[in-house]
Amino acid sequence: DVKVTQSSRYLVKRTGEKVFLECVQDMDHENMFWYRQDPGLGLRLIYFSYDVKMKEKGDIPEGYSVSREKKERFSLILESASTNQTSMYLCASSPPGNYEQYFGPGTRLTVT
Amino acid sequence: KNQVEQSPQSLIILEGKNCTLQCNYTVSPFSNLRWYKQDTGRGPVSLTIMTFSENTKSNGRYTATLDADTKQSSLHITASQLSDSASYICVVRSGGNTPLVFGKGTRLSVIA
Repeated sequence: DVKVTQSSRYLVKRTGEKVFLECVQDMDHENMFWYRQDPGLGLRLIYFSYDVKMKEKGDIPEGYSVSREKKERFSLILESASTNQTSMYLCASSPPGNYEQYFGPGTRLTVT
Repeated sequence: KNQVEQSPQSLIILEGKNCTLQCNYTVSPFSNLRWYKQDTGRGPVSLTIMTFSENTKSNGRYTATLDADTKQSSLHITASQLSDSASYICVVRSGGNTPLVFGKGTRLSVIA
């Protein structure tokens, strides 16, 4: 079975802190994605990566950056957390062609 | 603009009853459509996938239909159980490695 893990299920950070969200997949997938999910808005794509050291902006990249130094790991970085970044963050991975995405359990981030 | 619209936004049904969730899309070109189930606080899990040539596909008590001409899909749940309480998300793939297009989901609550 594909397994996508995220470093934390729940996280509480203060405004202005630098936040790292880690995602690891064990199926040697080329593609990895970061989404945020908010009530009434559904899943929105923040960043994605089709290869190591490669990244592409999604629909809402402002305030975020990413890092993919290894194929299995894709990190989401909030350089200076703000309260409007309080959300559920979901990581996903897929093989080439993006035929199906496999999701991690999510990280619920609260910024106070 | 590629969009996926789901209805209703939320639904409450009694245990044992049937229900149908709707998904309309404007994504073009079309590759496939997938229904995900997302339990509260968890990542989405794939229920079924429909390609252009498929009209109906079942997965236990879940039956998905696709009308590629009218760009509509439905998810029918038979003999609902309390464990069916979740959000159901319709996702359309356009092709290649392009990002998936997500609906905002239908929140289903099954009550005893």
